[in-house]
Amino acid sequence: EAQVTQNPRYLITVTGKKLTVTCSQNMNHEYMSWYRQDPGLGLRQIYYSMNVEVTDKGDVPEGYKVSRKEKRNFPLILESPSPNQTSLYFCASSYGTGVNSPLHFGNGTRLTVT
Amino acid sequence: GDSVTQMEGPVTLSEEAFLTINCTYTATGYPSLFWYVQYPGEGLQLLLKATKADDKGSNKGFEATYRKETTSFHLEKGSVQVSDSAVYFCALRQGNQGGKLIFGQGTELSVKP
Repeated sequence: EAQVTQNPRYLITVTGKKLTVTCSQNMNHEYMSWYRQDPGLGLRQIYYSMNVEVTDKGDVPEGYKVSRKEKRNFPLILESPSPNQTSLYFCASSYGTGVNSPLHFGNGTRLTVT
Repeated sequence: GDSVTQMEGPVTLSEEAFLTINCTYTATGYPSLFWYVQYPGEGLQLLLKATKADDKGSNKGFEATYRKETTSFHLEKGSVQVSDSAVYFCALRQGNQGGKLIFGQGTELSVKP
């Protein structure tokens, strides 16, 4: 089954403790991206990657890192999480960025930073 | 910059009622337009899309037409079911913005039996 898989689904951590949220897709997609969803703010892009070893900042990249060493994986790294990073995070992928390449989303990771 | 505006929710309807969720956009160029649906506790699923003016996207009884003259992409369904209860997001995408999807705020739909 074609899918985007995120882990974990739920995560509670404390301020400053480094964490990684994994994302993997099995559709051989070149493009991958991370979004965060917050009440009243909708979904905002954090980082994206056009292909292996090619990443770039989205609208809200502060406090996050990403890497794209393999085509299928695109982990989101929070080196020193803070409470304002408490949010619902979504990974997404697509073949490209063209008009016929809709984004496919994972089921989300709900992160709480205390 | 580009933006998407949706009607505010929540929208509460009775089963078999007609649904319209308004969506308008501001964009330079010729974006693709999408509706995504988010069921409770789940990720976003693509509901339908349209890639150029006058295109009609349809899926599962939902329809939306890309209207360039009114910069709109309203979602409609003739007869909603309880199982349609979810949050609906209108979004646009342009290839020259890093593939970013620009979302509206989302509209929560609640369908009562």
